[in-house]
Amino acid sequence: DGGITQSPKYLFRKEGQNVTLSCEQNLNHDAMYWYRQDPGQGLRLIYYSQIVNDFQKGDIAEGYSVSREKKESFPLTVTSAQKNPTAFYLCASSSPTVSGTQYFGPGTRLLVL
Amino acid sequence: GNSVTQMEGPVTLSEEAFLTINCTYTATGYPSLFWYVQYPGEGLQLLLKATKADDKGSNKGFEATYRKETTSFHLEKGSVQVSDSAVYFCALRIQETSGSRLTFGEGTQLTVNP
Repeated sequence: DGGITQSPKYLFRKEGQNVTLSCEQNLNHDAMYWYRQDPGQGLRLIYYSQIVNDFQKGDIAEGYSVSREKKESFPLTVTSAQKNPTAFYLCASSSPTVSGTQYFGPGTRLLVL
Repeated sequence: GNSVTQMEGPVTLSEEAFLTINCTYTATGYPSLFWYVQYPGEGLQLLLKATKADDKGSNKGFEATYRKETTSFHLEKGSVQVSDSAVYFCALRIQETSGSRLTFGEGTQLTVNP
């Protein structure tokens, strides 16, 4: 089945630690995205990538980093510089059609110990 | 800039009631419009979409019409079920020089009681 997988489902971070969230898609989509969702709020864009080896900052990129070495994969690292990392992180992908519909993974919930 | 405004929630209805969730937008250019649904602890699922003015998106009994004159994309369903309880997000997509991105509303929590 085609889709987007995110792992792990839950992730715990200690103070001062970097953690990496995985996102993989087998939809053959060119574009991939990372969003952050806080309780009771909408989604905010962290980073996005239109093609391999290229990515752009979204609205809240500070404290995060990404890479796009393969079309299928777009990992997100939450660095120690991100002082309030507790949130639900969602990955999405899309193909360059007229509507550009984005399809989402199941999400990773990051908690700080 | 681009923005989406949704009616504030939470919304609580009885089963078989009529649902309307208002969504209005501000955008430069001609956006595509979307409704996504999120069940507890899950990612977002596309519910319906419309790519140009006067298009009607529909799915699972939900409908929304792209109204350019009122810059709106209100979500409606004639008879809600308990299983429709979820958070609903309105979003727009604009093609930019650096690629396309979605802008989301704040989401509307819907609870349907039996």
